Amino acid sequence: AQSVAQPEDQVNVAEGNPLTVKCTYSVSGNPYLFWYVQYPNRGLQFLLKYITGDNLVKGSYGFEAEFNKSQTSFHLKKPSALVSDSALYFCAVRAYSGNTPLVFGKGTRLSVIA
Amino acid sequence: DAGVTQSPTHLIKTRGQQVTLRCSPKSGHDTVSWYQQALGQGPQFIFQYYEEEERQRGNFPDRFSGHQFPNYSSELNVNALLLGDSALYLCASSAYREGTYGYTFGSGTRLTVV
Repeated sequence: AQSVAQPEDQVNVAEGNPLTVKCTYSVSGNPYLFWYVQYPNRGLQFLLKYITGDNLVKGSYGFEAEFNKSQTSFHLKKPSALVSDSALYFCAVRAYSGNTPLVFGKGTRLSVIA
Repeated sequence: DAGVTQSPTHLIKTRGQQVTLRCSPKSGHDTVSWYQQALGQGPQFIFQYYEEEERQRGNFPDRFSGHQFPNYSSELNVNALLLGDSALYLCASSAYREGTYGYTFGSGTRLTVV
């Protein structure tokens, strides 16, 4: 069975500082990994995905994530946080084979302080 | 190019009633997945429809049922509503043969059961 762990319920960072939101996963075989962001009372917006290839994936709004197979991690990063990055972030995984559904973590609330 | 459209945006129902939520997928997508997001939680997979058939199902009771129409739009029905069914219901569409590319989510339907 697939699963995702986001170990931090909340991450606080000062504006202009780098941010990291952690994610580890468990899946049989190779994973497809995703990050989504959710603003209040809204659906999920796609940020980036890892399918194959380069371990460093660049996405929307200056976000990037690094796939680490040995540590089964896919941490989300941004070099310089903005107040507007404050939102709920979800990591998701699905198995490589078949059309299996996305499995989400419980989310991490990012708060960027001016 | 229209994204995923969900209706209604909000609704309030009484315990024991039945509710139908609707979803129109993104143009070019033929697969619809439904998720339930309870307050403070990550989205939980309910089921997925492709070619008008339920293809996969998460751990939800039979009170949750669905349908997909020939134009790929979908409905989620919940019978005998419980207070615990209060949540944001998210619809996600994808192209079945491009399943690697994740989902496009709608903004969701906020269901409140009183």
